[in-house]
Amino acid sequence: KAGVTQTPRYLIKTRGQQVTLSCSPISGHRSVSWYQQTPGQGLQFLFEYFSETQRNKGNFPGRFSGRQFSNSRSEMNVSTLELGDSALYLCASSLGPPTLIDEQFFGPGTRLTVL
Amino acid sequence: AQSVSQHNHHVILSEAASLELGCNYSYGGTVNLFWYVQYPGQHLQLLLKYFSGDPLVKGIKGFEAEFIKSKFSFNLRKPSVQWSDTAEYFCAVNGAVYGNNRLAFGKGNQVVVIP
Repeated sequence: KAGVTQTPRYLIKTRGQQVTLSCSPISGHRSVSWYQQTPGQGLQFLFEYFSETQRNKGNFPGRFSGRQFSNSRSEMNVSTLELGDSALYLCASSLGPPTLIDEQFFGPGTRLTVL
Repeated sequence: AQSVSQHNHHVILSEAASLELGCNYSYGGTVNLFWYVQYPGQHLQLLLKYFSGDPLVKGIKGFEAEFIKSKFSFNLRKPSVQWSDTAEYFCAVNGAVYGNNRLAFGKGNQVVVIP
């Protein structure tokens, strides 16, 4: 069974631009979560989607948004990029529907560098 | 909000030494607990998890962790490490609430095993 895939793997942008990252969950998984990983802040939760609906959102500004499609694939978008947005963006999928116990499987991440 | 503390961010030890990584969390309700590992150049992988039942949990590659509810702790142990255990280790928590897949991560422990 293929794991979580994320595209692109590496991205370089300049300040003020916007970026879209893509995540394909494990086949059969319907829940997708996004995390930002930086050396200073560690791993921080961005948002979670299930059945094309955002179920949870972390403490990030409105420049960070996402969506989920009917095939469970998800995208996240960051507008008006800032230098501090440079990070590894991780996607995780789980079976869903969300229950009391659910294990998340992580993708390799997209390394975003903002110049 | 949930928070997770990991101490001794950098650990260096020799092969065959024992490893123990501490994890303390703050959350008032029932929790699910996880340890993830990130080997150099690889994505986050689940080492072990605790949802309920026996507080001593055994995971992959000889790792185990003990949940001590009274101390809000979930420490990771391995009796004898190998060079291949060089990696970053993350403790994560989510509140065991229906519909909550949101993980709160600790800052991680960078473990280097010297052959």
